[in-house]
Amino acid sequence: DADVTQTPRNRITKTGKRIMLECSQTKGHDRMYWYRQDPGLGLRLIYYSFDVKDINKGEISDGYSVSRQAQAKFSLSLESAIPNQTALYFCATSDLRDEQETQYFGPGTRLLVL
Amino acid sequence: AQKVTQAQTEISVVEKEDVTLDCVYETRDTTYYLFWYKQPPSGELVFLIRRNSFDEQNEISGRYSWNFQKSTSSFNFTITASQVVDSAVYFCALSASYSGAGSYQLTFGKGTKLSVIP
Repeated sequence: DADVTQTPRNRITKTGKRIMLECSQTKGHDRMYWYRQDPGLGLRLIYYSFDVKDINKGEISDGYSVSRQAQAKFSLSLESAIPNQTALYFCATSDLRDEQETQYFGPGTRLLVL
Repeated sequence: AQKVTQAQTEISVVEKEDVTLDCVYETRDTTYYLFWYKQPPSGELVFLIRRNSFDEQNEISGRYSWNFQKSTSSFNFTITASQVVDSAVYFCALSASYSGAGSYQLTFGKGTKLSVIP
């Protein structure tokens, strides 16, 4: 089984709808991240969490919110989806005890906002 | 602030050719980490390698090798005898302290799309 899972893997929604992307991990890592990938732009950080009580904004947090329900779960919400939020979304984890903080990524969620 | 530049947007090579993917980084931190990730057509991101700023020793893993040069702020990736399965987007990334509190943020380059033609 994959260490970092994301659901759904693909989603089509309409402008104005609320949508939640979920991430679960079995790696035992305390740090979790949400990124979005747009063609030609690489990955950009949306939010990150270093433990259950810690939530931090990343480079492009506007229009998004997150919830860290447990050490193993980190959800990303789009309260009112808009077409320019169409992208590939990745969840990642890293281990506080890993000095180099290598991040390990989930398989991604392809989101299309019509 | 940190920045990663992958100047090559797309590269095409014929199978069995060697290919080098360039990565240039910018950071003011003296302690930082460099990474390469592979994104095959299926879309997932696969971790390939990490290096820290204190270790300039080059690394070889099978057909893959990495050349880290602090003098030129570069961390280039070479694939020897390329294969069709190497076709993917490759991302270089930099992790450096952004708050001074020991927290590190990963900054990605925009990626290089490698196509290996049979």
